[in-house]
This record gives sequence, C-alpha cells and structure tokens, in this order.
Amino acid sequence: GDSVTQMEGPVTLSEEAFLTINCTYTATGYPSLFWYVQYPGEGLQLLLKATKADDKGSNKGFEATYRKETTSFHLEKGSVQVSDSAVYFCALSTTNAGKSTFGDGTTLTVKP
Amino acid sequence: DTAVSQTPKYLVTQMGNDKSIKCEQNLGHDTMYWYKQDSKKFLKIMFSYNNKELIINETVPNRFSPKSPDKAHLNLHINSLELGDSAVYFCASTPHANTGELFFGEGSRLTVL
Repeated sequence: GDSVTQMEGPVTLSEEAFLTINCTYTATGYPSLFWYVQYPGEGLQLLLKATKADDKGSNKGFEATYRKETTSFHLEKGSVQVSDSAVYFCALSTTNAGKSTFGDGTTLTVKP
Repeated sequence: DTAVSQTPKYLVTQMGNDKSIKCEQNLGHDTMYWYKQDSKKFLKIMFSYNNKELIINETVPNRFSPKSPDKAHLNLHINSLELGDSAVYFCASTPHANTGELFFGEGSRLTVL
C-alpha cells in the first residue's frame, strides 16, 4: 500500500535558520504530493503541492520539489520565523485510492 | 465565511455516553472525510463519503457511525464512548474523490473521562 515517511521531530531552530524536513514516499501509480501545516489549535491547511515529477511547489517562502527518482518531496525554507512554528505533514494522493496518505507529522519550533 | 465548519469544538463526556459531531462545508465539494488525530498528532482516516455515498470505511469500531444527509454535511455519531476515543476529530472535504487536496475544519476535541 501507499506510505509516507517523514523526518522525525521535534525540530528546534533559531530564527533565520535554514529548514529542511525530509519526506519520502512509496505509492502505486503516479501520486500527487502535498505539504500541509497545522498551527497550534487549528486544522490542517495546504501549504504547497506538486502533481508531477520535477514540479516545484512553493508558498510563503517554503519550497518542495517532486523527485521521482528518489521518491522524495523534501520541504525547505531559507530563513524560518517564529511564526513558522507548527506541525508539518507530508501527504500523497493517488487517483485510484480516493484518499490521502499522511506522514506522522514533524513538529517545528522556532526560537527568537 | 468558514469553508468547513465543525460543531462542537470541544466535547467532554463520561465513558459509556453517546455523542455526535457535525460537519458542514460550503465549498460545493462532492467528497467529505472524517480523520482522527491522536495525542501524538498522528492522523488516521476513518470514513469518506462521495455525494452521500460511503466510499471509504477504514477499520473503525462499529460504535462509530457516519451519516451524510446531503453532500454538504457529514456527521459522526459515537456510541458507548471509551477512554481511547479521546482525540481531535477533523472533518475535511475535497472537490472530487480523486482531487487530492483536502480542506480541513478546525477540529473537535473529544475528551472521555
């Protein structure tokens, strides 16, 4: 079956540090890939997505590139802010499954 | 206007009671979901409805019964609540079952004492 493996957390960084959260996947077919963010006390919201190989998704300074050869979709940001503190989920969706598969989530804390 | 809204936001109840959580989306989406998030933030899909029809029913105890009166609403009823049911329950929707991108509600935190 489909699966998503994310870098284990928690991750603690200082403001303006570089962020990478690793995500790899296994899937039958050709998945679409997503990063969702969950701020404290809120639901998940889509951060960025990529629907085919070599696509780059980007939003709010975050980026991730769909790498089919390494089955990866790592999340990066050049300079994190305290307001980026949240839980980040990598997810995939395939058309034949009709559902999304989520990673376990990575908690990011950014200190001033 | 809230796109996906859930009520109540908080529920505290005793073991053995029955409770319901309601969800409504005003996005015109065809497909709705219930997810359970445990204390470690792990997300697990429970059910999915497409145009009022059940399409996903993961391994969930029979005490959980979803109901979709129309495609904009998906409710979750839980009978005989147990301590292990304590979690945050999220409703989500997507335009069609194969779209992938999910729109989540703010969650309903259930605490069973």
